[in-house]
Amino acid sequence: DQQVKQNSPSLSVQEGRISILNCDYTNSMFDYFLWYKKYPAEGPTFLISISSIKDKNEDGRFTVFLNKSAKHLSLHIVPSQPGDSAVYFCAASAVSNFGNEKLTFGTGTRLTIIP
Amino acid sequence: DTAVSQTPKYLVTQMGNDKSIKCEQNLGHDTMYWYKQDSKKFLKIMFSYNNKELIINETVPNRFSPKSPDKAHLNLHINSLELGDSAVYFCASSHPHETSDYEQYFGPGTRLTVT
Repeated sequence: DQQVKQNSPSLSVQEGRISILNCDYTNSMFDYFLWYKKYPAEGPTFLISISSIKDKNEDGRFTVFLNKSAKHLSLHIVPSQPGDSAVYFCAASAVSNFGNEKLTFGTGTRLTIIP
Repeated sequence: DTAVSQTPKYLVTQMGNDKSIKCEQNLGHDTMYWYKQDSKKFLKIMFSYNNKELIINETVPNRFSPKSPDKAHLNLHINSLELGDSAVYFCASSHPHETSDYEQYFGPGTRLTVT
């Protein structure tokens, strides 16, 4: 029962172009969404987030869009740079049975930026 | 001055053994987590502690026992290791009282291989 899905396991984009990573979710109780970036042999690092009451959040080259009716969010990176090559995880937060926030992660999309 | 550290980074052991993984955070966070990333790259939460108190306990075999001696440390002890325990284990922390309380800071991971 995968509540957060990233259907593209990999994506290759030319340097300077736009990278678009997609994420779908099924649980309407999710109230906050995050993107994490992971390099090999390192832990995930927080990239950008969005509250469920917003539809867009921008931070420099990174923009996250949320479409609640479609239960879909996307991460746009523009322009893409070689250092952006990593695995990107989508995560969604909901209140757990214990009353605190709990993150559910997607399986990740490996982004490769081609110089 | 690593924010979230884990030891060891790699652990190779035989079935039936008991092993521990240690985690420490110097961020002053109240909440710490253990995640398991299996061979299919699913990153799933196992446990969460807030101020040394267990607040999330997912469906995890009771061979896994977390211990939090203080709020800066969360260790994971695994008894009677099985082949299926082979995975990368990530420790994380967060501060639920900050506005960005959904952000979790991850350690570098411990790759456990059970032979």
